[in-house]
Amino acid sequence: EDQVTQSPEALRLQEGESSSLNCSYTVSGLRGLFWYRQDPGKGPEFLFTLYSAGEEKEKERLKATLTKKESFLHITAPKPEDSATYLCASNAGGTSYGKLTFGQGTILTVHP
Amino acid sequence: DGGITQSPKYLFRKEGQNVTLSCEQNLNHDAMYWYRQDPGQGLRLIYYSQIVNDFQKGDIAEGYSVSREKKESFPLTVTSAQKNPTAFYLCASSIHTEAFFGQGTRLTVV
Repeated sequence: EDQVTQSPEALRLQEGESSSLNCSYTVSGLRGLFWYRQDPGKGPEFLFTLYSAGEEKEKERLKATLTKKESFLHITAPKPEDSATYLCASNAGGTSYGKLTFGQGTILTVHP
Repeated sequence: DGGITQSPKYLFRKEGQNVTLSCEQNLNHDAMYWYRQDPGQGLRLIYYSQIVNDFQKGDIAEGYSVSREKKESFPLTVTSAQKNPTAFYLCASSIHTEAFFGQGTRLTVV
């Protein structure tokens, strides 16, 4: 059974204090590892897809990386508007692309 | 604007009633999905459809039903057989390598 585990459950940072969120996965034949941002009461917003170990993608203050067992979401010099829940999800080969296994999410709070 | 529209945003249901959640997309995506989100838990897949007139059960399909008569529409019915229906319901669609989500419907049983 595919599993995705995120840590920590919650993370509080001061504005400008860089940190990383972790996503550990156990997936048979990983096809893609996805990161989403979710604001309270809203649907998840797509951030990144990573396909193979060693791959990195960046968007503004966020950088996602992938190894054979984990993915990290690095947040550099965060701002209060980066506060949200960050979701990690996996997709296994041979399945529909939107058939995702999600982790529980990391709630990020950035204080000014 | 292209996107996924879910309605209503909030829905209240009395015990024993069936309710239907709407999901419409104008992205021309073939595949559509329904997920359920509970506090402190990851999203869980209820049903998905890869083409019109075909759909498959996800991990937690019991107490739910769907239809896919049009490419653009994938309504979800929460039946009275669903024991704990209070949750946040999310519809998604996908093409190639990415899945995109609607803004969700919060269902509360009163």
